[in-house]
Amino acid sequence: AQKVTQAQTEISVVEKEDVTLDCVYETRDTTYYLFWYKQPPSGELVFLIRRNSFDEQNEISGRYSWNFQKSTSSFNFTITASQVVDSAVYFCALSSGPSGANSKLTFGKGITLSVRP
Amino acid sequence: EAGVAQSPRYKIIEKRQSVAFWCNPISGHATLYWYQQILGQGPKLLIQFQNNGVVDDSQLPKDRFSAERLKGVDSTLKIQPAKLEDSAVYLCASSLTTGSSYNSPLHFGNGTRLTVT
Repeated sequence: AQKVTQAQTEISVVEKEDVTLDCVYETRDTTYYLFWYKQPPSGELVFLIRRNSFDEQNEISGRYSWNFQKSTSSFNFTITASQVVDSAVYFCALSSGPSGANSKLTFGKGITLSVRP
Repeated sequence: EAGVAQSPRYKIIEKRQSVAFWCNPISGHATLYWYQQILGQGPKLLIQFQNNGVVDDSQLPKDRFSAERLKGVDSTLKIQPAKLEDSAVYLCASSLTTGSSYNSPLHFGNGTRLTVT
């Protein structure tokens, strides 16, 4: 069975602070994919990143960075110098199975991030 | 490119009534998904189509939910009869999946917010 745990439920920071969103996953598959999605108040889920289980290299994209550690089954997401526009619900998700990255996504419960000016 | 289109945006019905949601995926996307997102939770897959065939409907409550994608393009999700616990946002997503092409992330629509009273 697959499981994604986002232990943090709500985080509130002041603009320009750095913030890390935690994600811990469980799967028995050796090949799997991890994702982060952002859900702003408009409701649409916006894809942020996908990593496969064979690539543990950390990734940086502008103010966003991701730390993938198989040893601790974690895929954490850091926003540097947060901005008000970063306020949203962030979901970590996992997929594995016969269709690879396009198998069903198992989502965590989400973390509500509020960035105050 | 145009995104995933869903309608209606909001729907309020009484329990035991029926309701239908419509989704038009991104042009050329072979895989279509319906997710249910209950308030405060992450989305949960209801059904996955590959063209007009069902890939996974293991979490679809088949006694009351049905979905079709007859021509392999747009899709309809129906609930009949609705229960109070069906109140949720119903998200449609699509991805470009053909053969072994696993590189496309899911693109989500804005969802339909259903309230059952």
